[in-house]
Amino acid sequence: DVKVTQSSRYLVKRTGEKVFLECVQDMDHENMFWYRQDPGLGLRLIYFSYDVKMKEKGDIPEGYSVSREKKERFSLILESASTNQTSMYLCAIGRAGSTDTQYFGPGTRLTVL
Amino acid sequence: DQQVKQNSPSLSVQEGRISILNCDYTNSMFDYFLWYKKYPAEGPTFLISISSIKDKNEDGRFTVFLNKSAKHLSLHIVPSQPGDSAVYFCAASGDNAGNMLTFGGGTRLMVKP
Repeated sequence: DVKVTQSSRYLVKRTGEKVFLECVQDMDHENMFWYRQDPGLGLRLIYFSYDVKMKEKGDIPEGYSVSREKKERFSLILESASTNQTSMYLCAIGRAGSTDTQYFGPGTRLTVL
Repeated sequence: DQQVKQNSPSLSVQEGRISILNCDYTNSMFDYFLWYKKYPAEGPTFLISISSIKDKNEDGRFTVFLNKSAKHLSLHIVPSQPGDSAVYFCAASGDNAGNMLTFGGGTRLMVKP
């Protein structure tokens, strides 16, 4: 079974705080993705990584950064959290060079007060 | 501009009847399409996919139809069960390297007993 874990299921932070969301996989997949899900907007890609230390901007990278120091871990960082970053954050993994499915973690519901 | 659209935000059907969820896309480079199912507070789970070389793919109660000329796909669930109540996301890929997906906004399906 594919296993993608995320560091927290629910998180409450204050405006201006630095927030770290971590994603860990046990499938040795090359690609890792961070999305946010908002009602009516579907899943929007924030950043993705296709290899260690490599990263690419997705559709909505503003206000976020990422880190991938090891193949199995992909971190999403909110340098200074704002209320409009309240959302469900989803990590996904996938194989390189394939139009194959992505496998998702359980998600982190982040609330920024 | 959304390249993948699910125009019905919600759908309600009676248990035992057919559920039809629709999805339209604009990018003619898409060649692989997927449906994901998402329960509240969980990550999306892969349901079924179809390659552009096919027009139909069936897996148990789930069938996906692809009409390339109309840039339209649909997911049929027969018979619908209360456990099918969830948000369904359509996704597409193929116009980029790796396995990046573009998601629709989702349709909330409610199956009434």
